[in-house]
Amino acid sequence: DAKTTQPPSMDCAEGRAANLPCNHSTISGNEYVYWYRQIHSQGPQYIIHGLKNNETNEMASLIITEDRKSSTLILPHATLRDTAVYYCIVRVVGGAAGNKLTFGGGTRVLVKP
Amino acid sequence: DAGVTQSPTHLIKTRGQHVTLRCSPISGHKSVSWYQQVLGQGPQFIFQYYEKEERGRGNFPDRFSARQFPNYSSELNVNALLLGDSALYLCASSPLDSQWTEAFFGQGTRLTVV
Repeated sequence: DAKTTQPPSMDCAEGRAANLPCNHSTISGNEYVYWYRQIHSQGPQYIIHGLKNNETNEMASLIITEDRKSSTLILPHATLRDTAVYYCIVRVVGGAAGNKLTFGGGTRVLVKP
Repeated sequence: DAGVTQSPTHLIKTRGQHVTLRCSPISGHKSVSWYQQVLGQGPQFIFQYYEKEERGRGNFPDRFSARQFPNYSSELNVNALLLGDSALYLCASSPLDSQWTEAFFGQGTRLTVV
């Protein structure tokens, strides 16, 4: 699995957009970009994933650069409940390599009032 | 519908003992994976089971073993516990083998080895 690089921590203001960067410069053509988050003392929660097109769902938007070497997760209106560790993961869907998620250190996001 | 359920939520064991952790996947999900999360780190993949067969194994010693039952629930067993086995053990379920697009995690079992 390709490795990802994320800033260890970041703060954002409640009500503002939070932009979480992720570098995955060695990503392969068949690897998807996934984002999960983990709120304190809970299991990780799926947020969104994409291959090369930008994606949006009710939780967030995912912007992937054209060369696919980096991406940004956007939380449009951060709330205090969005305080969590956010993990950017690259993963192949299918095959023997697709049976797991490889987590890095993530970004610890603190939403402040 | 119930999500992924794990039991127990917490337990304390002594070095050298054995522990069994349990996981019930979301109804209809046939794949169960186990992860270990040491404090301050991201989860690390231990095993994946699909249709009662082991489909993947992470870099963990043979003291770690697992199995999946006909109802798709799963057990993780750890023998000869070490202090370093203290961690949050997470179970994740998905409907498919490796073609899944989303894995659903339980709340975890926090194991403390003293």
